[in-house]
Formats: sequence, structure tokens, C-alpha cells
Amino acid sequence: EIVMTQSPATLSVSPGERATLSCRASQSVGITLAWYQQKPGQAPRLLIYSASTRATGIPARFSGSGSGTEFNLTISSLQSEDFALYFCQQYKNWPLWTFGQGTKVEIK
Amino acid sequence: QVQLVESGGGVVQPGRSLRLSCAASGFTFSIFAMHWVRQAPGKGLEWVAVISYDGNNKYYPDSVKGRFTVSRDNSQNTLYLRMSSLRPEDTAVYYCVRDLGEVWGQGTLVTVSS
Repeated sequence: EIVMTQSPATLSVSPGERATLSCRASQSVGITLAWYQQKPGQAPRLLIYSASTRATGIPARFSGSGSGTEFNLTISSLQSEDFALYFCQQYKNWPLWTFGQGTKVEIK
Repeated sequence: QVQLVESGGGVVQPGRSLRLSCAASGFTFSIFAMHWVRQAPGKGLEWVAVISYDGNNKYYPDSVKGRFTVSRDNSQNTLYLRMSSLRPEDTAVYYCVRDLGEVWGQGTLVTVSS
């Protein structure tokens, strides 16, 4: 089983600042990595797939990078609506999925 | 528009069974694999089942294998999750998700408690 580990658990950032979230896989997943955003009381929303491709309608301030076992999600200038929970997910062993435990981005 | 709507959640006693449904609309349901993902209160996401587009292939994690059964009716554009021998740790919001993660339902809450 591929284990996904996200860091940090909580990231405190001021509006307008840059945020970088990390996700590590226990073994190589190539670029079969997605990122999701979840706000309280809502379902997750796909942000990034194939490690770096933005999903439909996702603003350009969201970018993904990495391959193999190390991945980052960067939010270039945090807007108020970006304070939320973020999950990474691997689908190397498609159709089996594994999620990271999440990073909460909160207002500093 | 593209939509998934879950139903069937509620409060159930430990050891009992429950069936969730997910009605799909706005897309060709029969060509997509479909997943169930759950989220315990205040916790992260856990994948619990996937079914191939034609229903012939099904996979589960060890945490639910032998207790949960996923199925689908392509003529009715509906996905199901039959949950048996329910445990308190199965308490969660259950989401149906179209393969590749682009489309999620709003979720249905299952509470396992005596």
C-alpha cells in the first residue's frame, strides 16, 4: 500500500502571501498525484491532477509540482476563499486511491 | 448540469446494514468507473470502494472488505453501496465520486451508534 504523508498539518499564512504545501509518497507514484481543496460542510474539489495540471476553472494562483515521491502545491497569493483544507491523493495503483491526511491553511 | 446526489444515510445500530444510493445526471454514467469515499467527523478522506464502468470489477480496502459491496445500475444511472456488519468506526460522511475525482456528490452522513 502506498502511504501519502502531508506536511505541515496546519499552515498559518497572511492574505496575499505565498503558501507551499507538501506531500510525500512512500514509493514512487510518477505524476499520478492530485490535489483537492475542501471547505467546511462541502465536498472536496479537484484542483490539480497529473501533479501539475489545473482542473477546469481553477485559478492560475494554484500550481502543482513534483514527481516520484515529493510533491508541492503552491498558492501564489492567498485569497480569503483559499483558507481551507487541502488533500493530496495518489492514483498510481488505479483504480485504488490513497489520500494524505490533509493540511489546513488558516489565517495568520 | 453534471451532478451526483447521495441518499440513504442515517443512524443505524452496530451490526446492522444500510444501503446508500447515488443518482447521477448530466453525463454518460455508463462509461465511468465510480468510487465511494468517506470522511469521519473531523478526519481525512478514506477511499472505500470502486466499481468499473460495466460493474464487472470491484475493489475495496481491507478496512471494509467483506462487509461493503458496491454495485451499479447503468440503466438507472445509479450507484449503490451496501454496508453490512456496521461498526462505530464506519461513522462518516459518504461521498460518491466520478473516476478521476472531478465530480463529487454532496455526501450522506452515516452514524453507527446504539
